[in-house]
Amino acid sequence: SQELEQSPQSLIVQEGKNLTINCTSSKTLYGLYWYKQKYGEGLIFLMMLQKGGEEKSHEKITAKLDEKKQQSSLHITASQPSHAGIYLCGADIITSNTGKLIFGQGTTLQVKP
Amino acid sequence: DAGVIQSPRHEVTEMGQEVTLRCKPISGHNSLFWYRQTMMRGLELLIYFNNNVPIDDSGMPEDRFSAKMPNASFSTLKIQPSEPRDSAVYFCASSTTYGTGSISSYNSPLHFGNGTRLTVT
Repeated sequence: SQELEQSPQSLIVQEGKNLTINCTSSKTLYGLYWYKQKYGEGLIFLMMLQKGGEEKSHEKITAKLDEKKQQSSLHITASQPSHAGIYLCGADIITSNTGKLIFGQGTTLQVKP
Repeated sequence: DAGVIQSPRHEVTEMGQEVTLRCKPISGHNSLFWYRQTMMRGLELLIYFNNNVPIDDSGMPEDRFSAKMPNASFSTLKIQPSEPRDSAVYFCASSTTYGTGSISSYNSPLHFGNGTRLTVT
């Protein structure tokens, strides 16, 4: 969906390097969700952010939602081959609590050993 | 928890044939979503149900597409007649609502099935 822009579209990094993926909207994001997808499989939920300025971490992955709730970033520290896949941000931009999400185009991550 | 179950995993059919995709949501989830994923358009929401009732079908591309949810544990997405441009991966997802009221309630993250890869020749 053009309402959610992800950058970069693809990324190749050396194992051990840090990286950041961004998700931007022109509208207020009432709920921002990060998912990971491997080829041929469904989307796996990573993290959910709802409040402006919120930051969450799980293992080596940190996600932030800016104060204006229009941009989110996903940061991976010391990347590993297991981090490879497609990362998608999804958001409810209509109103809170509908559960109806639109998604960005995704960022394909390759991690070279 | 078996997760969201979709069938079949792969479907290859000829143009003009009817295709039926099936989904079993996670037990206890009261919202169900059908998405379509293509390289060109990414992940698009087709329709979603809440408590078995269709709430928003504005993403359904044409009258050739129809979806039903006869009960809380089963949904179908039907394409009749199918066309080559319908080739895509179709995902089903489910979620649940916690709390009550429009302000205090919130939805769990969507849980996705592994999708059905549809090829129409």
